Amino acid sequence: QSVLTQPPSVSGAPGQRVTISCTGSSSNIGAGYDVHWYQQLPGTAPKLLIYGTANRPSGVPDRFSGSKSGTSASLAITGLQAEDEADYYCQSYDSSLSGSRVFGGGTKLTVL
Amino acid sequence: QVQLLQSGAEVKKPGASVKVSCKASGYTFTSYGITWVRQAPGQGLEWMGWISGYNGNTIYAQNLQGRVTLTTDTSTSTAYMDLRNLRSDDTAVYYCARDLLSSRGFDYWGQGTLVTVSS
Repeated sequence: QSVLTQPPSVSGAPGQRVTISCTGSSSNIGAGYDVHWYQQLPGTAPKLLIYGTANRPSGVPDRFSGSKSGTSASLAITGLQAEDEADYYCQSYDSSLSGSRVFGGGTKLTVL
Repeated sequence: QVQLLQSGAEVKKPGASVKVSCKASGYTFTSYGITWVRQAPGQGLEWMGWISGYNGNTIYAQNLQGRVTLTTDTSTSTAYMDLRNLRSDDTAVYYCARDLLSSRGFDYWGQGTLVTVSS
């Protein structure tokens, strides 16, 4: 049982927009901690996709964006492409766990 | 460029220990922390712990406390993850990642090390 809750799967057709939610609580996202998002392609290490809730590292297309409200965060992907098919994870921090980092359970994105 | 190079795959028997290394290059090791994450086959990411590259302070995941120890060797810019009393459900790919601040996330990752626990 992950501390952060994500939908197990989402899907969309090429060119469409999809969002992935990440729901936490008052001890993590709701406490004001930043949320980060990672993309994991099959058989590879995760890659930082969004940091500090809404910032993109160099090289990440602006089709990817992040936001946060209350105890939840979201990752939005616009102009969906076949290469976006991957697993996506949110990550934050939890004050009830002495500064531990926490992950969501992951969301499998399927491009139809 | 920043690189984290991990040691090779391991096969261990239940009850044994494993030590995975993560050699950093391309940045000042003592200016960043290292986080360890594992991923069981077909499962999600599980955070294991964090160690400061500066002073060796650690934070461990509650469910692994007592079985895992994180250390660093600043002379070789290498971080180590030692997991004891291995069980079959410790079979996973183990990753190290650079971890600076709560606002920056884990910005560089190692390639992963497969640890298989089997009798």
